[in-house]
Amino acid sequence: AQKITQTQPGMFVQEKEAVTLDCTYDTSDPSYGLFWYKQPSSGEMIFLIYQGSYDQQNATEGRYSLNFQKARKSANLVISASQLGDSAMYFCAMREGVANFGNEKLTFGTGTRLTIIP
Amino acid sequence: NAGVMQNPRHLVRRRGQEARLRCSPMKGHSHVYWYRQLPEEGLKFMVYLQKENIIDESGMPKERFSAEFPKEGPSILRIQQVVRGDSAAYFCASSPTSPTMNTEAFFGQGTRLTVV
Repeated sequence: AQKITQTQPGMFVQEKEAVTLDCTYDTSDPSYGLFWYKQPSSGEMIFLIYQGSYDQQNATEGRYSLNFQKARKSANLVISASQLGDSAMYFCAMREGVANFGNEKLTFGTGTRLTIIP
Repeated sequence: NAGVMQNPRHLVRRRGQEARLRCSPMKGHSHVYWYRQLPEEGLKFMVYLQKENIIDESGMPKERFSAEFPKEGPSILRIQQVVRGDSAAYFCASSPTSPTMNTEAFFGQGTRLTVV
């Protein structure tokens, strides 16, 4: 089974609109962290936002927020007031149970290519 | 404050040659991870190292691939006798000592390996 599933291979959104990028995850570990990264066409991986499994509130970072629904195992990224510079690949990733030493690796989804239309 | 440095950015090798990819973690970071990204795919974990120790190599192909992180100098990912299927972007990430659940992994710019 896929640990991280991103079901939207590509999305087109009008500039200034909000956009939601879907991410569902699968883990039996009660302790985990969820990350979103942006990869522009230049190729680097840019960290956007983090949500911990025990966090009571949804994470927010500027125009980015994470809609965390633990019972549904979903961690959707919401970008408000989209800009042309938001056009990129977006990856959801998970880290499970750091308490298990050596388990610090990230597992990535296949990504969503977001294109902002002027 | 230099970030994670990878070099070279682009590497072209003929089939059968060796590829050496280097990664210098952020200052103060002693944990290094290597990931591989095939075209149009997400990143796949390869190996996790601390200084002079391989902690987790569960994602490394059994043959031709090796990684090290010596006491001095950068971490090296070495691919022997490269094949066309090794063509990918290879990313290095680093994190500080004793990462916790929310420790961000800082990524380098990646090395794009093309095997011709």
